[in-house]
Amino acid sequence: DIQMTQSPSSVSASVGDRVTITCRASQGISSWLAWYQQKPGQVPKLLIYAASSLQSGVPSRFSGSGSGTEFTLTLSSLQPEDFASYYCQQTKSFPYTFGQGTKLEIK
Amino acid sequence: EVQLVESGGGLVQPGGSLRLSCAASGFTLSSHDMNWVRQAPGKGLEWVSHISRSGNSKYYADSVKGRFTTSRDNAKNSLYLQMNSLRTEDTAIYYCARNKVATPDAFDIWGQGTIVTVSS
Repeated sequence: DIQMTQSPSSVSASVGDRVTITCRASQGISSWLAWYQQKPGQVPKLLIYAASSLQSGVPSRFSGSGSGTEFTLTLSSLQPEDFASYYCQQTKSFPYTFGQGTKLEIK
Repeated sequence: EVQLVESGGGLVQPGGSLRLSCAASGFTLSSHDMNWVRQAPGKGLEWVSHISRSGNSKYYADSVKGRFTTSRDNAKNSLYLQMNSLRTEDTAIYYCARNKVATPDAFDIWGQGTIVTVSS
């Protein structure tokens, strides 16, 4: 099975900051990676698919990059509504696996 | 409106069974592979199962293999998850999630979830 490891597990930042979250795969997954946002009590929301493609309706301050085993999600200028948990997911092979999540908190 | 609505959750004793349903509306279910994902209280997301558009291919997480079965009825726009031999560690919110079409798999539409509690 492919293991997905996110770092950091939590991060504190301020409105307007730039934040980067990293996701590493235990083996190469090409660009078969998605990023999701989940706010407390809400359903996960797709942000990025195919490692770097922005899902329709998602603000352009979100961006994804990487291929192979290392990937990043970047929030270019944090807004109050961005404080949430973020998960990466590989869909290269079954069983599909999620990272353990990164909690983005207000400093 | 594109929507997924889960139902069938509840309280069940260890060793018991439940059948979850996911009703799709606003899109053609038969055009999409579908998934179940769960989230234990205070924990992260765990992919549970995947079923192809036709229902001919199914995949499961090791944690549920042999106990859970996913199925679909495209004519009824519905997805199902039959859960047998339930364990306390199966307690979670269960979401059905739609695969995007024509891209590497990603889950673009999620239901609101149904809560499954396994406890004596």
